[in-house]
Amino acid sequence: DVKVTQSSRYLVKRTGEKVFLECVQDMDHENMFWYRQDPGLGLRLIYFSYDVKMKEKGDIPEGYSVSREKKERFSLILESASTNQTSMYLCASLGQGAHEQYFGPGTRLTVT
Amino acid sequence: GQSLEQPSEVTAVEGAIVQINCTYQTSGFYGLSWYQQHDGGAPTFLSYNGLDGLEETGRFSSFLSRSDSYGYLLLQELQMKDSASYFCASHGGDSWGKLQFGAGTQVVVTP
Repeated sequence: DVKVTQSSRYLVKRTGEKVFLECVQDMDHENMFWYRQDPGLGLRLIYFSYDVKMKEKGDIPEGYSVSREKKERFSLILESASTNQTSMYLCASLGQGAHEQYFGPGTRLTVT
Repeated sequence: GQSLEQPSEVTAVEGAIVQINCTYQTSGFYGLSWYQQHDGGAPTFLSYNGLDGLEETGRFSSFLSRSDSYGYLLLQELQMKDSASYFCASHGGDSWGKLQFGAGTQVVVTP
């Protein structure tokens, strides 16, 4: 059974803290994605990676960075969390040549 | 820019048919996908249209017209469990798999 897991379901951090969100997939997928989801805005792409150590900016990369040192793991980093980064963060993976993205359960991050 | 438009909410009774329309503006467009998301859950893939026409998967069908930059998701024989948000997502640009999502349509099924 296909699985994408995220390190936390809920996270509360303070303004200015460095935050790490981890995502692991067990499908040997080349492509991985980080989205944030806010009411009325749908899913917006932050960063994606199509191979180990490769990354590309999505639509809203400001304030975020990513790391992909191993194929199965894709990390999202908030260097200095701000209150406007309070959101639901979703990770997804995609096999090469496929259309279906598999999503993790999400991390609801609150920055106070 | 790139954008997708879909209605924010649709309400229908059990057993009815619902059509969710999606219009898109996507450079390098090559396909349209649909995802379902229940409250508190992860989005799950429903369908993909790369060519014009209708794709049917059980009670759900999806349609694409490239010339009109338009697609729809058709939900038939609505069940209470179909109450969820539905997102259209366009495939395009210069990177494989990169999706642009619409804001989502909340479908409310009433008894």
